[in-house]
Amino acid sequence: LAKTTQPISMDSYEGQEVNITCSHNNIATNDYITWYQQFPSQGPRFIIQGYKTKVTNEVASLFIPADRKSSTLSLPRVSLSDTAVYYCLVVLKAAGNKLTFGGGTRVLVKP
Amino acid sequence: DVKVTQSSRYLVKRTGEKVFLECVQDMDHENMFWYRQDPGLGLRLIYFSYDVKMKEKGDIPEGYSVSREKKERFSLILESASTNQTSMYLCASSGQGIGSYEQYFGPGTRLTVT
Repeated sequence: LAKTTQPISMDSYEGQEVNITCSHNNIATNDYITWYQQFPSQGPRFIIQGYKTKVTNEVASLFIPADRKSSTLSLPRVSLSDTAVYYCLVVLKAAGNKLTFGGGTRVLVKP
Repeated sequence: DVKVTQSSRYLVKRTGEKVFLECVQDMDHENMFWYRQDPGLGLRLIYFSYDVKMKEKGDIPEGYSVSREKKERFSLILESASTNQTSMYLCASSGQGIGSYEQYFGPGTRLTVT
């Protein structure tokens, strides 16, 4: 079964682009990857979801390469308020919709 | 706006007590989930339910049970609380299709078992 791993932390500066990679072996072509953002003392909040090569919404982009062994959340031009923990979630349909969260990446945006 | 509410933000219980954590969602969602969140371990699924009176075990169901008598309410029960169940508990709900719909999370209940 897929094990979902993320970097523990990363630092960035205001205005930069932040890219967070989630590694997940053995996912099928129709398995969804979802990213969540969590602030202290709050529940996670949905950012973006997809299963195809690239998805973009008003706050982020999600890139999934052809081998589907990883996915990358891209946050363009981050601000201080983007300091949070980011989680990826993979749902494996072939394993009975098994949900597997990554361990979370703590992103610190500096002025 | 979807709202997922949890009965308590903070709870302190003694070892051996029976503990009920309640979760209510107001969006008529089919799926509801209970997770626990511990430092360094991320979110781990305890149980989920895809319909009233239906439940499925997640990754760490031992020591827990659940109840879903009404569509909007999903309860997590610790039959006999132990200190290793001290954790942050998060409830979530989503529309039909476990993987393809976003989950909406409640604010969490921080449970301390002494």
